[in-house]
Amino acid sequence: QKEVEQNSGPLSVPEGAIASLNCTYSDRGSQSFFWYRQYSGKSPELIMSIYSNGDKEDGRFTAQLNKASQYVSLLIRDSQPSDSATYLCAVIGRGGSEKLVFGKGTKLTVNP
Amino acid sequence: SQTIHQWPATLVQPVGSPLSLECTVEGTSNPNLYWYRQAAGRGLQLLFYSVGIGQISSEVPQNLSASRPQDRQFILSSKKLLLSDSGFYLCAWSPQGYQPQHFGDGTRLSIL
Repeated sequence: QKEVEQNSGPLSVPEGAIASLNCTYSDRGSQSFFWYRQYSGKSPELIMSIYSNGDKEDGRFTAQLNKASQYVSLLIRDSQPSDSATYLCAVIGRGGSEKLVFGKGTKLTVNP
Repeated sequence: SQTIHQWPATLVQPVGSPLSLECTVEGTSNPNLYWYRQAAGRGLQLLFYSVGIGQISSEVPQNLSASRPQDRQFILSSKKLLLSDSGFYLCAWSPQGYQPQHFGDGTRLSIL
């Protein structure tokens, strides 16, 4: 059973701080890793994709992947109240199926 | 650019009534298509996915069914709704290959 684990939170950070969201996955052969943001009552929105070890930066967001540790993280710099949402980690395993396996999400609250 | 349309946005149905939710994708061909359900405060549950016309894989046995009559059209149906079918239904698409999924705006279904 392929699993993706996230701390459900809630994670609370003050405005302007760095928010750090973590995710581990069980399938060592996983190839593709994604972070989605889901505002309350809305559908998930893709915010970051990462495919190789290391860091990938996009604006205030940085995704970090460590395949040896089966760990992927998302850093949000200069957090804003508008970043308050649930963040979903998703992984595609190796071979055959192209289905995403989603974690249950971490709820982030950024306090003004 | 690609867009995904899902309707209706909200739906209130009595127990035992039929259901038909439709999803269409524009701006791409031969996409993978997915139906998810998200119960209140819960994670995403994959219901069905399709890699081509007429090809449907079911993830969870239940009283729902899916069909793909055209390349970019995906339909979720039920002959008789149960109270437990309430939830937020999301359609998603992805290109072939290990690519991220992109979600429609969702349908909030309430069963009375």
